[in-house]
Amino acid sequence: LAKTTQPISMDSYEGQEVNITCSHNNIATNDYITWYQQFPSQGPRFIIQGYKTKVTNEVASLFIPADRKSSTLSLPRVSLSDTAVYYCLVGPPGYSSASKIIFGSGTRLSIRP
Amino acid sequence: NAGVTQTPKFQVLKTGQSMTLQCAQDMNHEYMSWYRQDPGMGLRLIHYSVGAGITDQGEVPNGYNVSRSTTEDFPLRLLSAAPSQTSVYFCATKTGSAGNTIYFGEGSWLTVV
Repeated sequence: LAKTTQPISMDSYEGQEVNITCSHNNIATNDYITWYQQFPSQGPRFIIQGYKTKVTNEVASLFIPADRKSSTLSLPRVSLSDTAVYYCLVGPPGYSSASKIIFGSGTRLSIRP
Repeated sequence: NAGVTQTPKFQVLKTGQSMTLQCAQDMNHEYMSWYRQDPGMGLRLIHYSVGAGITDQGEVPNGYNVSRSTTEDFPLRLLSAAPSQTSVYFCATKTGSAGNTIYFGEGSWLTVV
């Protein structure tokens, strides 16, 4: 999987829009970009996935520029319940014997009242 | 619709004891893996499997064994527990379809005293 770099931590306030950027300079042509959210004492859960341009669902938006070397997870009008660790993963569909899916440290997002 | 089921949820071991963490999935996913997560840290890959009879090492395999005799089950064995193995363990499965959608179990909290 492509190596990713994201901020270790971010702080924001309730009602604000939060943007978390992930750098993935070595992304391959067939790689997808996937974001996961982890609350304390729980396993990570899938938030959103994209290949190019913009993807939006009921939870977040994912912006991917044309060169695909970075991506931005956008959380609109955050609340205290959005306090979590967010992980960015980049990799191809499916899997192979070389599929070491490494999560890294993620971005610890803290939302204040 | 159970998804990924881990047992036990909590376990206390004495140093030197052995035990097995169970992971079962009902989604017919070929890919399964085990992660550990220490307090305040990210996920670290222990072992993974791309199908029955196939396993491989992750980032931190020492002190752990795995086997994959069926598609559904992927047990993690601690051979001789050490205090350094005190952690939360997560089992995860992955779809073989587009992208990298990973599904996690609820975690197993292990304390080695």
